[in-house]
Formats: sequence, C-alpha cells, structure tokens
Amino acid sequence: GQNIDQPTEMTATEGAIVQINCTYQTSGFNGLFWYQQHAGEAPTFLSYNVLDGLEEKGRFSSFLSRSKGYSYLLLKELQMKDSASYLCAFMDSNYQLIWGAGTKLIIKP
Amino acid sequence: GAVVSQHPSWVICKSGTSVKIECRSLDFQATTMFWYRQFPKQSLMLMATSNEGSKATYEQGVEKDKFLINHASLTLSTLTVTSAHPEDSSFYICSARDLTTDSGTEAFFGQGTRLTVV
Repeated sequence: GQNIDQPTEMTATEGAIVQINCTYQTSGFNGLFWYQQHAGEAPTFLSYNVLDGLEEKGRFSSFLSRSKGYSYLLLKELQMKDSASYLCAFMDSNYQLIWGAGTKLIIKP
Repeated sequence: GAVVSQHPSWVICKSGTSVKIECRSLDFQATTMFWYRQFPKQSLMLMATSNEGSKATYEQGVEKDKFLINHASLTLSTLTVTSAHPEDSSFYICSARDLTTDSGTEAFFGQGTRLTVV
C-alpha cells in the first residue's frame, strides 16, 4: 500500500533552524515534493527531489533517501513569516500526488 | 513558475443552489487538472482528476453527480457543486499539470475558492 507520514505540529524560535521529517511507503515513486501553505491560501511549491541527496535553495533545503523512504525539509534562519503548514507529497507510478497531512510550524519570537 | 487562475476566490450561496468554480492555466497547457477539497486544519483531499477531453476520475466517496467536472480545453477546467448544502462548505483548490513535458511533475495551484453554503 501507500502511505505518507509527517509530524502534526512543530515549534521553533525565530532565527533558529528546524527540520521537518516525512516518511513514505510506496511501490512506485516519481519524486517527492514539499509545499508551504499559509492559512486560507493555496499551497506554494518549495522543492522537488527525485534523486537521493540534498537540494539547497536559499534558506530552505530538502533531502531525500529513496532506500529509506525518507525526506526532510530544513529551514534555516527562521522568520516569523515561515509560520505555516508544510506539506510533503510523493508522486506515485501513475504520477498521482499522495499528500501528507501537513506539519504546522509555529515560530516564536 | 506557471500561473493557474482560479475564480471566484470566495462565494456564499444558499442551500440548494449550484456554484461553478473555474480554473484556468494562463501560460501552459494543463493536460491534467486535479480538484482538491480542504477542510479547516486538514490536508488536501483529492476529489477528482480530469484529463482534457475525457471524463473525470473521481476518488472513492466523492459523488460525481454532485461535483460536476468539465475539462473541455487545455486551459480551462470547471467544478460545479450542484444542490449545495452547508456540509459542502470548504476550501476548494485546483491544481494543473502538463504531464506531456519534463516539467510536468510540478503541480501548480490555483488560489483556491472558499465556499460557504448558508
């Protein structure tokens, strides 16, 4: 079967670093996405990993290990505006996106 | 990234009436459109997938006669909520992809439509 799991909520301090983990199980895999979603808004694309390793994009980095079915999103130099939900999703063999429930990130001053 | 325009952003309607939501891809051809519903504090729930020119594929538990999806062109898909009831009140989001291209893996989202049925 297919499933994807990420923590429900995390809290971090402004200026710090936070890592949001995502684990998944699937027989067919065509990449893993991270999206940011502010309350009441549609998701916005953050990253896409299809090969193992770390992809860095400014303050955000995303890591993938296909053998472990594991990904993380790393946010550095946290800002208050980073308070949002972070959704991970993998693309299965039919190119369907299977979404996690999202991790609500709370940034405290 | 590519732009997907969804309209309206919010709508209030009376119970029993129908509401149409439009989703347009502005600068690319959306061979596949996805319609999601999101209840407060929950993740996206896929309702249906539509490919241009063919009937939509609905997820289990989604009533196809209630949620009518039309994907008549490569740039426009519509979702019509028929005979809306208060429990249909939700945030509806469309997502468009062009699976014929290498960049088609990314899903571009519309702005979402907040539907309130009173």
